[in-house]
Amino acid sequence: DQQVKQNSPSLSVQEGRISILNCDYTNSMFDYFLWYKKYPAEGPTFLISISSIKDKNEDGRFTVFLNKSAKHLSLHIVPSQPGDSAVYFCAASGTHYGGSQGNLIFGKGTKLSVKP
Amino acid sequence: GAVVSQHPSRVICKSGTSVKIECRSLDFQATTMFWYRQFPKKSLMLMATSNEGSKATYEQGVEKDKFLINHASLTLSTLTVTSAHPEDSSFYICSARGASLFLLEQFFGPGTRLTVL
Repeated sequence: DQQVKQNSPSLSVQEGRISILNCDYTNSMFDYFLWYKKYPAEGPTFLISISSIKDKNEDGRFTVFLNKSAKHLSLHIVPSQPGDSAVYFCAASGTHYGGSQGNLIFGKGTKLSVKP
Repeated sequence: GAVVSQHPSRVICKSGTSVKIECRSLDFQATTMFWYRQFPKKSLMLMATSNEGSKATYEQGVEKDKFLINHASLTLSTLTVTSAHPEDSSFYICSARGASLFLLEQFFGPGTRLTVL
């Protein structure tokens, strides 16, 4: 039973346009969400996070939106650049989830391709 | 930012041998380290969580006698795959979290590609 879902395995976007990556979760105990970027044969790199007390967090070209009622979050990248091409993982955590504080539950990832 | 290293980056071994993978936090003290495994086209699967100086907590389905984890210091955790078999071939990634960093933020190592022949 997947608690964090990224339903789009891949996304292709033209350079300069907006990339929107989506993530859904089922566990209402999750209260902190993170996005990681991963290149092949490398470990994930932290991108941006958002706490459940907020509905938006922005950092440069990256913005994460959280809709708690829909249990949905999205990562917006604008403008998209070819160097953004990677797999993006959504992760969720709950301070009281599973008895292990801070454990991250990852989605399966979305492969973003930004074409020049 | 916080840097986590892993060694080796790639290892090829024969079936039945043991392989040790090291995970180091280079510029912070990692009170907690995590070990993940990634299968092709699948998400990161948490294998175990280790806190410095105590026994690791293994996720359901992960054999603790096969995947030995030692977190002997605040900057080093090791994962030993004992009596490796071809089905253990995978990409193993560690992450670390420090008390001085934001509580829920984990920093990942570059991963280790294990191939068991």
